[in-house]
Amino acid sequence: DVKVTQSSRYLVKRTGEKVFLECVQDMDHENMFWYRQDPGLGLRLIYFSYDVKMKEKGDIPEGYSVSREKKERFSLILESASTNQTSMYLCASSLVLAVGGRAANEQFFGPGTRLTVL
Amino acid sequence: AQSVTQLDSQVPVFEEAPVELRCNYSSSVSVYLFWYVQYPNQGLQLLLKYLSGSTLVKGINGFEAEFNKSQTSFHLRKPSVHISDTAEYFCAVSDPGGSQGNLIFGKGTKLSVKP
Repeated sequence: DVKVTQSSRYLVKRTGEKVFLECVQDMDHENMFWYRQDPGLGLRLIYFSYDVKMKEKGDIPEGYSVSREKKERFSLILESASTNQTSMYLCASSLVLAVGGRAANEQFFGPGTRLTVL
Repeated sequence: AQSVTQLDSQVPVFEEAPVELRCNYSSSVSVYLFWYVQYPNQGLQLLLKYLSGSTLVKGINGFEAEFNKSQTSFHLRKPSVHISDTAEYFCAVSDPGGSQGNLIFGKGTKLSVKP
């Protein structure tokens, strides 16, 4: 079974702190993703990565950065945490399925980190 | 832009009753479709997926979904729900414009099964 682990289930930080959220997958997947989940808004993509040292902005990258130094690890960084970044953060890795010459991601999710910024 | 609409944000239902969770997407090209489930305080887990072939897809826990291209829908069904099906369900579509097929998620439907 694919396993995606996240470093913390619950985290409480203060405004202005630098916050690191770590994600590790054990299935040698090329692609990794960071989402935030808020009530009524569903999942919103923050950043994703197709390869080591490679990153792409998602829909809401402002206030976040990422790091992917090793294939299995994808870190989300909040440079200066703010209260509006209080949320559930979900990491995923994906298997790219090539069907009919086109790609589709089947994503595998970690358990999530519930971050509270005070 | 590609979008996914889950028409009901909350669906209450009694145990052993049938349920349908609705999902519509916008796309002018062929897509791949997924349903994920999220139990309280957990991450998302794949329920089922449609890539090609039969339009009726069976998934885990007795769920199934039917792909309807003409109506651009992918509704999720279960003939008899259990208390343990209480969860949030997300429909997702692969982005046909993206080379890596990133997923676009709906806003979710909370299924509440009452005894």
